[in-house]
Amino acid sequence: NAGVTQTPKFRILKIGQSMTLQCTQDMNHNYMYWYRQDPGMGLKLIYYSVGAGITDKGEVPNGYNVSRSTTEDFPLRLELAAPSQTSVYFCASSRDREAEAFFGQGTRLTVV
Amino acid sequence: AQSVTQLGSHVSVSEGALVLLRCNYSSSVPPYLFWYVQYPNQGLQLLLKYTSAATLVKGINGFEAEFKKSETSFHLTKPSAHMSDAAEYFCAVRRGSQGNLIFGKGTKLSVKP
Repeated sequence: NAGVTQTPKFRILKIGQSMTLQCTQDMNHNYMYWYRQDPGMGLKLIYYSVGAGITDKGEVPNGYNVSRSTTEDFPLRLELAAPSQTSVYFCASSRDREAEAFFGQGTRLTVV
Repeated sequence: AQSVTQLGSHVSVSEGALVLLRCNYSSSVPPYLFWYVQYPNQGLQLLLKYTSAATLVKGINGFEAEFKKSETSFHLTKPSAHMSDAAEYFCAVRRGSQGNLIFGKGTKLSVKP
């Protein structure tokens, strides 16, 4: 039982490049989330999903897109990378909106 | 709207001393409150959660937290700090409509030998 798996763990992007951060969970959770963590700022919600085919914006969605075609996968897409997107990204999942959230190990992204 | 405030971005204690990490919340409805711990270069791990069943909540690694509605607080404590407790701690409240967590800015705990 792997829990929440994120790939890659590290990535350096040039300004204007695009990439997809992968997230998969094997717990059959309906709810999935993407957060970004910046030093001294806690975690901010980017996008979330309450089930396959359903996604919605969080607090800081600009510059990102998501899709949820299956229960297991919730990829995060950066289309035109900007230095402001340098951050650590965490994917999380929960069984329902009241259950605890399980987090992946994070992806550290640097945009130069 | 729900929010969380953690008092003190850094806390330093000696090994064996009491750990007290402060968290105050704002919520218009009975809150679901959580404490998570993050070790360096790792994801977040749940320490404990409050879901209205009991005001004193016991978690992993000897941590506990007390929900005080009158003070809108959910402070995290541990009677005796261990070197392995050095990490960053996040208090969070669950947003009811979406289910996502709203996090405080975190408190970095250092433990001196």
